[in-house]
Amino acid sequence: AQSVTQLDSHVSVSEGTPVLLRCNYSSSYSPSLFWYVQHPNKGLQLLLKYTSAATLVKGINGFEAEFKKSETSFHLTKPSAHMSDAAEYFCVVSDHQAGTALIFGKGTTLSVSS
Amino acid sequence: DTGVSQDPRHKITKRGQNVTFRCDPISEHNRLYWYRQTLGQGPEFLTYFQNEAQLEKSRLLSDRFSAERPKGSFSTLEIQRTEQGDSAMYLCASSPKGLGDGYTFGSGTRLTVV
Repeated sequence: AQSVTQLDSHVSVSEGTPVLLRCNYSSSYSPSLFWYVQHPNKGLQLLLKYTSAATLVKGINGFEAEFKKSETSFHLTKPSAHMSDAAEYFCVVSDHQAGTALIFGKGTTLSVSS
Repeated sequence: DTGVSQDPRHKITKRGQNVTFRCDPISEHNRLYWYRQTLGQGPEFLTYFQNEAQLEKSRLLSDRFSAERPKGSFSTLEIQRTEQGDSAMYLCASSPKGLGDGYTFGSGTRLTVV
């Protein structure tokens, strides 16, 4: 069975400092991994995805994530936080079976202070 | 095509009433998913359609819930005899053939049962 664990429920950073949101996954198959962002009162937006190509994945808005099979991790990073990055972030896993549902983590709330 | 559309955006209903939500996916996407998100949690999978066939249902989908996608285009999710525990955001997502393309989520229907 697949699962994801987001290691921090809440992360607070200052504007201009690096962001690290941690995610560990469990999957019986070669997983596809995603990060989604959810701003208040808005829909889920795909930030980036890993689907067995390059292990370092670049996404939108300067975010990137590195797939580390040996550590079963897929942490999300950004070199410099902006106020607009404040939102809820979800790490998501699925395997390659067609039609298999996405399994979401519980989310990490990112707060950015000026 | 501007993405996945859900209607209504908000629904307030009295306990015991029936409600129906509609989802219009991206037109070329043959896969459609329903998820439920409660406060402070990540979305949880409810059911999945490939074209008009309902291929997968979660144990969360009790017998009061029914979903249809009659012509392989839009989908409806009906909840009969609503309970206060049904209060949640109901999200619809669609994807093209191939999991690697990721999902596109709608903005959701927020249900409040009073």
